[in-house]
Amino acid sequence: NAGVTQTPKFRVLKTGQSMTLLCAQDMNHEYMYWYRQDPGMGLRLIHYSVGEGTTAKGEVPDGYNVSRLKKQNFLLGLESAAPSQTSVYFCASSDPRAGGAYEQYFGPGTRLTVT
Amino acid sequence: TQLLEQSPQFLSIQEGENLTVYCNSSSVFSSLQWYRQEPGEGPVLLVTVVTGGEVKKLKRLTFQFGDARKDSSLHITAAQPGDTGLYLCAGNQAGTALIFGKGTTLSVSS
Repeated sequence: NAGVTQTPKFRVLKTGQSMTLLCAQDMNHEYMYWYRQDPGMGLRLIHYSVGEGTTAKGEVPDGYNVSRLKKQNFLLGLESAAPSQTSVYFCASSDPRAGGAYEQYFGPGTRLTVT
Repeated sequence: TQLLEQSPQFLSIQEGENLTVYCNSSSVFSSLQWYRQEPGEGPVLLVTVVTGGEVKKLKRLTFQFGDARKDSSLHITAAQPGDTGLYLCAGNQAGTALIFGKGTTLSVSS
């Protein structure tokens, strides 16, 4: 099993450009999450999904959109990138059937720089 | 408002020393997890504790959940350079998402 994979690993954007980050998991997990990690700020939840076709806002959703058209994939979009969105983005998945603790399995991250 | 406070924020020690990292909150959690993150990688789950007062051991790592389920600690015995990394605690309040602390950065030098 590959677990959780993310593409791309690195990306540099100019202000105003758009892009989509792809997350894929092969563990048949129902729940998927997008976080951003910034120095001194910890992991902050952007959006999450509790199943195919459903999404919900997290702590810092502004400037981002998401889609979960297939159970195994969770896409994070930036419509008009801003320098404040320079960060490392992590995708995670969890299985709600596994005792309710929502243990999360993370991807390797995407390092995004917006100039 | 940061619901989960981790301390210390940074810790630099010599190989063979013992250390304790704390994760504190004024809120009750149904479960609490500890993750370790190495540079350039995603966090990896170390342990989940769900019962107040619970103690779990993972080789040289000992995890404890407070009796009131508001706090937790991670104790490392005889630290090794391979223990270097960012240690994150995360709590669940019977929801679908976790609340993460900001982490403790541990550096163990030989």
